[in-house]
Amino acid sequence: GESVGLHLPTLSVQEGDNSIINCAYSNSASDYFIWYKQESGKGPQFIIDIRSNMDKRQGQRVTVLLNKTVKHLSLQIAATQPGDSAVYFCAETPAYKYIFGTGTRLKVLA
Amino acid sequence: KAGVTQTPRYLIKTRGQQVTLSCSPISGHRSVSWYQQTPGQGLQFLFEYFSETQRNKGNFPGRFSGRQFSNSRSEMNVSTLELGDSALYLCASSQTDRQETQYFGPGTRLLVL
Repeated sequence: GESVGLHLPTLSVQEGDNSIINCAYSNSASDYFIWYKQESGKGPQFIIDIRSNMDKRQGQRVTVLLNKTVKHLSLQIAATQPGDSAVYFCAETPAYKYIFGTGTRLKVLA
Repeated sequence: KAGVTQTPRYLIKTRGQQVTLSCSPISGHRSVSWYQQTPGQGLQFLFEYFSETQRNKGNFPGRFSGRQFSNSRSEMNVSTLELGDSALYLCASSQTDRQETQYFGPGTRLLVL
C-alpha cells in the first residue's frame, strides 16, 4: 500500500505547555496539506489545513507552518490540554491523492 | 450536517469469507475515499470514487473492490478474506475530487479469524 507508518514516535508534553509536532513530506508537487487528530477508537478528525502559497496559518490554539524548501510541515498546539492527547497525522496531496505521514502520538502529562 | 457514517462499526469474519462495508458521505459531498489502517502500516489508500467513477486506486490486490451509487453512498467489498485483512477501514468524503479537506467516518473494525 502507499503509505508510511511503522513505528509511532511519541511526544510527551506537560499540560499547559506548547506542543510542536513535525512532519516531513515526500512530494515536491504537493500543494495542499492537512493535519488530522485521531483519538483512540475514532476516525481522523480535521484540525487545520494549508496551501502551498502560504507558509503559516493559524486556527484556534493551533498553528501550521510550511517550509517548502525542506519539505517540512509542523503543527503547533498552544497551551496543550489533556483532551489534545491523540495521534496526529499530516497528509499531503500530490495529484489528487492523499498520502499520510507516520503519525505522532501526543501524550499530555498532568 | 451529519458527518460521515459507516456501517457496520464492528465485524468478525473467518478466512475465505467476503465482506461488504458501507459509507454514507456528508450531504453534498460527491467524493468518497477508502483507507485501511493497521498498527504496522498506518493509513493506506485503497481507492477514491467521484460521481460513481473510480478516480484513483491504491496498491491493493483485486480482492478489494468498491463502488459508488448515484446518491454518493459507497460500498467496499473484500473477497476471500485473509488474516492480514484485519484492520480499521475508514471512509472519507469531500465535496469534489479536487484537493480539499477530507472528512473521515468512525471506521469499521474488521477482525478476520
